[in-house]
Amino acid sequence: KAGVTQTPRYLIKTRGQQVTLSCSPISGHRSVSWYQQTPGQGLQFLFEYFSETQRNKGNFPGRFSGRQFSNSRSEMNVSTLELGDSALYLCASSPGTAAYEQYFGPGTRLTVT
Amino acid sequence: AQTVTQSQPEMSVQEAETVTLSCTYDTSESDYYLFWYKQPPSRQMILVIRQEAYKQQNATENRFSVNFQKAAKSFSLKISDSQLGDAAMYFCAYGGGATNKLIFGTGTLLAVQP
Repeated sequence: KAGVTQTPRYLIKTRGQQVTLSCSPISGHRSVSWYQQTPGQGLQFLFEYFSETQRNKGNFPGRFSGRQFSNSRSEMNVSTLELGDSALYLCASSPGTAAYEQYFGPGTRLTVT
Repeated sequence: AQTVTQSQPEMSVQEAETVTLSCTYDTSESDYYLFWYKQPPSRQMILVIRQEAYKQQNATENRFSVNFQKAAKSFSLKISDSQLGDAAMYFCAYGGGATNKLIFGTGTLLAVQP
């Protein structure tokens, strides 16, 4: 099976712009979770989608949003980018609803200038 | 709320030696999982080992094993016969039994000296 893929791998945006990141889970997996990784805050949970429904949400402002499509692919969107949004964004794919088995993608490195 | 603490920001080990990374956690849940993830410079997060809280037996995966002390809420990772490829950031993570949300510790950067 192919692993979790994330596109794009690298992205440079300007403050105030918006950005959309994409994650394709492992075939057959119905859950996609998103994490933000920064040197200062470490790894923080953004949200989780399962069967097109948001099941869980972390403590991030409303500028961060996501969605999941019927084929389980997920996108996350960040509007009105701030310098502090510069981070590695990781998505994780899971077959079910428990944390037992999760597989991470390579991440998207977002730089906001 | 659940928390995960890794008190060793950096560790170093000689090649072929054994090293233990520490992790403590706090939770009021009875059903949960604990994980160690490895993140090499490529930034790809790789699952090293996992432990189900209801299992008393410590998990083992080849050279990697854990010491799970449920009452003490401690979950340490032992790497035996360390190899140069083991050099990476290691994250301890907690996952609840009914959610895919993972809570990560701050990580331990492991250096392996030849």
